[in-house]
Amino acid sequence: EVQLVESGGGLVQPGRSLKLSCAASGFTFSNYDMAWVRQAPTKGLEWVASISTGGGNTYYRDSVKGRFTISRDNAKSTLYLQMDSLRSEDTATYYCARHARVYGYVMDAWGQGASVTVSS
Amino acid sequence: DTVLTQSPALAVSPGERVTISCRASESVSTLMHWYQQKPGQQPKLLIYKASNLASGVPARFSGSGSGTDFTFTIDPVEADDIATYYCHQSWNSPLTFGSGTKLEIK
Repeated sequence: EVQLVESGGGLVQPGRSLKLSCAASGFTFSNYDMAWVRQAPTKGLEWVASISTGGGNTYYRDSVKGRFTISRDNAKSTLYLQMDSLRSEDTATYYCARHARVYGYVMDAWGQGASVTVSS
Repeated sequence: DTVLTQSPALAVSPGERVTISCRASESVSTLMHWYQQKPGQQPKLLIYKASNLASGVPARFSGSGSGTDFTFTIDPVEADDIATYYCHQSWNSPLTFGSGTKLEIK
């Protein structure tokens, strides 16, 4: 069974940093591109970042470029999101998701989410 | 960015057929996908590449379309289908989602 389990969320002050982790199991992690998607309270889904299988290619939405860093450790089957210079508008549930390249890069498996609140 | 416009909230009775539309501001070929999200849960993939049923998803769910106009259908609707449904495109960068259609059961 495919499982994605996020951790590392919490309450953080504006301007501070937080690092999310996503532990993957039930599939060969190194064979899949991975992504982070967020959802602000009562709002819709918003893609944040994606990373290629080996980590050599990363992609970000404009609003987080230069502040967030997506990375992965294939030996540990773990995905990360380093979030720096956090803003109140970054408050959201952050989901880890798996890209299925063969199915048109759709995100076919999701974690349960990690809550991040940016507030003083 | 590719804007995906979804039909507003819908209310239907169990046993009826419901269709949700999603219009893209530019072509996304057939790389349109549909998710179901129930309150407090993560999104669940239902349809990928416009019309393909994801593994384990009942055949009551279906999708169609290409280019800029897509539809998602549930037939027949069941009470458990109460959720918000999102379309999502993976053809253009950045990846984008529709604003969601909240399905309510009468």
